[in-house]
Amino acid sequence: FMLTQPHSVSESPGRTVTISCTRSSGSIASYYVRWFQQRPGSAPTTVIYEHSQRPSAVPDRFSGSIDSSSNSASLTISGLKTEDEADYYCQSYETSDPQWVFGGGTKLTVL
Amino acid sequence: EVQLVESGGGFITPGGSLRLSCAASGFTFSKARMYWVRQAPGKGLEWVGRIKSKTDGAATDYGAPVKGRFSISRDDSKNMLYLQMNNMKIEDSGLYYCSTDTLVPVRWGQGTLVTVS
Repeated sequence: FMLTQPHSVSESPGRTVTISCTRSSGSIASYYVRWFQQRPGSAPTTVIYEHSQRPSAVPDRFSGSIDSSSNSASLTISGLKTEDEADYYCQSYETSDPQWVFGGGTKLTVL
Repeated sequence: EVQLVESGGGFITPGGSLRLSCAASGFTFSKARMYWVRQAPGKGLEWVGRIKSKTDGAATDYGAPVKGRFSISRDDSKNMLYLQMNNMKIEDSGLYYCSTDTLVPVRWGQGTLVTVS
């Protein structure tokens, strides 16, 4: 299966942005979705796991959800800050045995 | 503190071999399922492969582009993960990250750069 993300999104500081991740086949709800943030020149870090769980170090401005009707997951960032400017990748599984499939990544510009 | 530190990257000519290492600390490595993920310059993340814990038979699995050329192994006595890369191709160039999802959330190393040219 594939995970499809928009190539890029942009929004102003203080606003809210949502990044989508659509699964091509198989139920989005069946296998957990993770979201990774990758700032320029840095390794990825986890911002959302298990569809909507947020690590303690991640601000509550970040939230995750899934929509079974569109078979997609979403990452929403509210109160945008310039430090949120990064590439964001969704990731899920191919089968119950966890082989990772990544979305193509979305470049978030905060301007 | 959980740490994953990759090493072993460098410059290699096509057809050559390279072994990457990942030193793990701050968690029970022997129980961890470990992954390698790579990122070509300016491109997205690509799953390379995975090794399960010895309890789960240390089973390995690989992505299609590297199957038959790359091999993942582990030394639990040293808390080390390895990626043996053989018959390397130009398209294998990129940053190679080790990772684990046995911990929640997923942790990543800082990566080691491989250049095939």
